[in-house]
Amino acid sequence: DTAVSQTPKYLVTQMGNDKSIKCEQNLGHDTMYWYKQDSKKFLKIMFSYNNKELIINETVPNRFSPKSPDKAHLNLHINSLELGDSAVYFCASSPIEARNEQFFGPGTRLTVL
Amino acid sequence: EDKVVQSPLSLVVHEGDTVTLNCSYEVTNFRSLLWYKQEKKAPTFLFMLTSSGIEKKSGRLSSILDKKELFSILNITATQTGDSAVYLCAVGAGGYQKVTFGIGTKLQVIP
Repeated sequence: DTAVSQTPKYLVTQMGNDKSIKCEQNLGHDTMYWYKQDSKKFLKIMFSYNNKELIINETVPNRFSPKSPDKAHLNLHINSLELGDSAVYFCASSPIEARNEQFFGPGTRLTVL
Repeated sequence: EDKVVQSPLSLVVHEGDTVTLNCSYEVTNFRSLLWYKQEKKAPTFLFMLTSSGIEKKSGRLSSILDKKELFSILNITATQTGDSAVYLCAVGAGGYQKVTFGIGTKLQVIP
């Protein structure tokens, strides 16, 4: 009965590889997000989708491409991974009537070697 | 650029103490202020405040917002070791209510 789930939990890969992180929510929320939390623990928004439509796109390299096949899923694909991409990536979701009350997934710790 | 500043950055207290965590912000088109608790993994939602002067309470935790002075405080009374965590303040702003997080206050409660 997990609310927001992410896979994988850990991802270790070499520079230059392409990888994807998947996120699913079973809360019936309309809005989903990707956040990056770096080594200094600063949590920063990357993208937000509302009903499969991109509504927030922060200054993120275009190597990062989110994809929302339906409103319960928001995946993140990263091309040509770099050392600086190492971080914990959190997916979150919120209902449309309370966009700020976000429910976070457990995070994916990405390590680029 | 929207900014959220938290203080102190870290705090060590003894069980039973009362703590006050501070959050100030500068955003365009403010909508709400949020507090989250982050233990080892994902942040968990604590409070959302939209109106000045109205205290929100949940057990030993309470929070209040001052929209004139652009800050909020989170109080924790009779602290317990289970309160040890990073407390994140965030502000939702703009039409799509983009959420900007502060860096957090790391609270450690020692027995």
